[in-house]
Amino acid sequence: AQSVTQPDIHITVSEGASLELRCNYSYGATPYLFWYVQSPGQGLQLLLKYFSGDTLVQGIKGFEAEFKRSQSSFNLRKPSVHWSDAAEYFCAVGASKAAGNKLTFGGGTRVLVKP
Amino acid sequence: NAGVTQTPKFQVLKTGQSMTLQCAQDMNHEYMSWYRQDPGMGLRLIHYSVGAGITDQGEVPNGYNVSRSTTEDFPLRLLSAAPSQTSVYFCASRQTGRNSPLHFGNGTRLTVT
Repeated sequence: AQSVTQPDIHITVSEGASLELRCNYSYGATPYLFWYVQSPGQGLQLLLKYFSGDTLVQGIKGFEAEFKRSQSSFNLRKPSVHWSDAAEYFCAVGASKAAGNKLTFGGGTRVLVKP
Repeated sequence: NAGVTQTPKFQVLKTGQSMTLQCAQDMNHEYMSWYRQDPGMGLRLIHYSVGAGITDQGEVPNGYNVSRSTTEDFPLRLLSAAPSQTSVYFCASRQTGRNSPLHFGNGTRLTVT
């Protein structure tokens, strides 16, 4: 069975500093990987996704993620955070033949941004 | 564009009561799903549907029923609410293409007392 681990429950970062959110997955075949962001009281919005090809994936809002098969990781990064990046972030893995149909989500990482 | 619309936004139930959470999408997506979100557990799939008339169970289906009579609507029914069903519920839809992302509604916060 597939699983996703986000080791950090909370991360506090200063505005303008860099951000990295960790995601480790367990899946037997080629994973389909996603990062979603959830602002307070809102649904989830897709930041970026990885299916194949270049292992460095660019997303919206200045985010990027790097797929490392050897480490079973898909960490999310942003070079300089803005106060509006304060939110909860979810990593998810999908089954290969129906990516997105049965997504397994990690527990989420809540990001707090200090002024 | 309305996207995925969930109603109600908030609901309080007593143990044993039944209710239906509504979900509608106007994007002609064939795939629709229901997730529940609990602190520290991310989102867990309850039920999903790959088209009208077709539904299947997800990770945590017990205590919930679904039906899909139209492409647009995918209601989630709680037959006899329990405190363990206190959660935030999200409906999501997507096109059937493999690269299509999930579109989420804004959620329904349910409290069962």
